[in-house]
Amino acid sequence: DVKVTQSSRYLVKRTGEKVFLECVQDMDHENMFWYRQDPGLGLRLIYFSYDVKMKEKGDIPEGYSVSREKKERFSLILESASTNQTSMYLCASSPSFRGLAEAFFGQGTRLTVV
Amino acid sequence: QKEVEQNSGPLSVPEGAIASLNCTYSDRGSQSFFWYRQYSGKSPELIMSIYSNGDKEDGRFTAQLNKASQYVSLLIRDSQPSDSATYLCAVNRYGNKLVFGAGTILRVKS
Repeated sequence: DVKVTQSSRYLVKRTGEKVFLECVQDMDHENMFWYRQDPGLGLRLIYFSYDVKMKEKGDIPEGYSVSREKKERFSLILESASTNQTSMYLCASSPSFRGLAEAFFGQGTRLTVV
Repeated sequence: QKEVEQNSGPLSVPEGAIASLNCTYSDRGSQSFFWYRQYSGKSPELIMSIYSNGDKEDGRFTAQLNKASQYVSLLIRDSQPSDSATYLCAVNRYGNKLVFGAGTILRVKS
């Protein structure tokens, strides 16, 4: 089975802190994604990566950055956490078959910024 | 205009009925379409994928795609209380960007 693992299930951080959310997949997938999910807004794409060191902005990249130094790991960085970044963060991965492949999700990280 | 739109619901159906969930998308270049189910507090899980016009059936689930009209639907036959969840429509363009709708809440009443 595909396994996508996020480093934390719950996090509480203070405003202004630099926050790292880590995601690891074990299926050699080319594509990795970071989404945030808020009530009534569904999943919104923050960033995605289609190869090591490659990244593209999603719909809401402001206040976030990402890092992909190894194929299996995709990190989301909140440079200076703010309360409006309190949310559920979901990482996903998919193989690269010209956009035809489904994504597999991690268990999610519920981040609270106080 | 949002890239992927769904009626937020909730959609309420009695047990044993057919639940019909709809999704429209804006980008005609979209190539693949997915339905995910998400239980409260859990991550989304894939239940159906469809790539060409027409119907695709898998057990009690049928996905329907109409690229000319830019809509995709999911039918759930013989709905069960365990089908109560949020159903997310996702669309993937060439280039691997996967975009989700906001989801439709389905409630199946026993």
